[in-house]
Amino acid sequence: QKEVEQNSGPLSVPEGAIASLNCTYSDRGSQSFFWYRQYSGKSPELIMFIYSNGDKEDGRFTAQLNKASQYVSLLIRDSQPSDSATYLCAAPEGNTGNQFYFGTGTSLTVIP
Amino acid sequence: EPEVTQTPSHQVTQMGQEVILRCVPISNHLYFYWYRQILGQKVEFLVSFYNNEISEKSEIFDDQFSVERPDGSNFTLKIRSTKLEDSAMYFCASTSLGGPQETQYFGPGTRLLVL
Repeated sequence: QKEVEQNSGPLSVPEGAIASLNCTYSDRGSQSFFWYRQYSGKSPELIMFIYSNGDKEDGRFTAQLNKASQYVSLLIRDSQPSDSATYLCAAPEGNTGNQFYFGTGTSLTVIP
Repeated sequence: EPEVTQTPSHQVTQMGQEVILRCVPISNHLYFYWYRQILGQKVEFLVSFYNNEISEKSEIFDDQFSVERPDGSNFTLKIRSTKLEDSAMYFCASTSLGGPQETQYFGPGTRLLVL
C-alpha cells in the first residue's frame, strides 16, 4: 500500500514564527510533491510543488525535498493567523501520476 | 482565473437513491478526477478519466460508481444506490496534461449526506 504520512498535529506557533510541516512517502516512483492548504469545509488549494532535491522558495513558503530519505517538508516563515489551516502533502502515483496519494494533513494554528 | 466548478454544493439523499454529482473542469484541461473526503479523514482518490474513458480507479470505485463526460464541459459522478458510508465531501479535479508533474486543481466540492 503506497502511503503518504504526515504528523497530524495539531501544531501551534505564535504569529511571526516559522512553522515546519513534514511528510514522508513510500512510493519511490513519485517524481513530484505537492503541498495543499485546506480550510475547514473547503477544497484543497495548491500552495506549491517541488520535484527536484533541495529547496524551493515561493514568498513565505519553502518546500524541501530529499528523495533519498523520501521526505518532503514545508516551512512557512513569518506565520500569520490566516495561515491557520490543515496542510496536505500529496504525491502522485509513481507510474502514471494519475492519482494523488494524500496524507492525513497537519493542522496548523497560528496564535496572534 | 479559470477554476473548477461543482454542483450542487450540498446534497442530501435517502439510502438506496441514485445521486449525480456534476463538475465543470477548467476549459483546456484534459484529465479529470474524482476524490472523496470522509469527515475528518484524508482525501482519497476514486477515479481518473481521460479521452472519454477511465484511466485509473481505486478499490473504492466499485460497481455502484460511474463517471461520464456527457458533453464538452461537464464531468459527472453517479452513485447508483447510495449507502450511509458514501456520506462525504466529493471533489472534482482537473489538469491539463496529466502525469506525475502536473498540478491537480480542485473544485469546491459537493457535500453528500446519505440518510
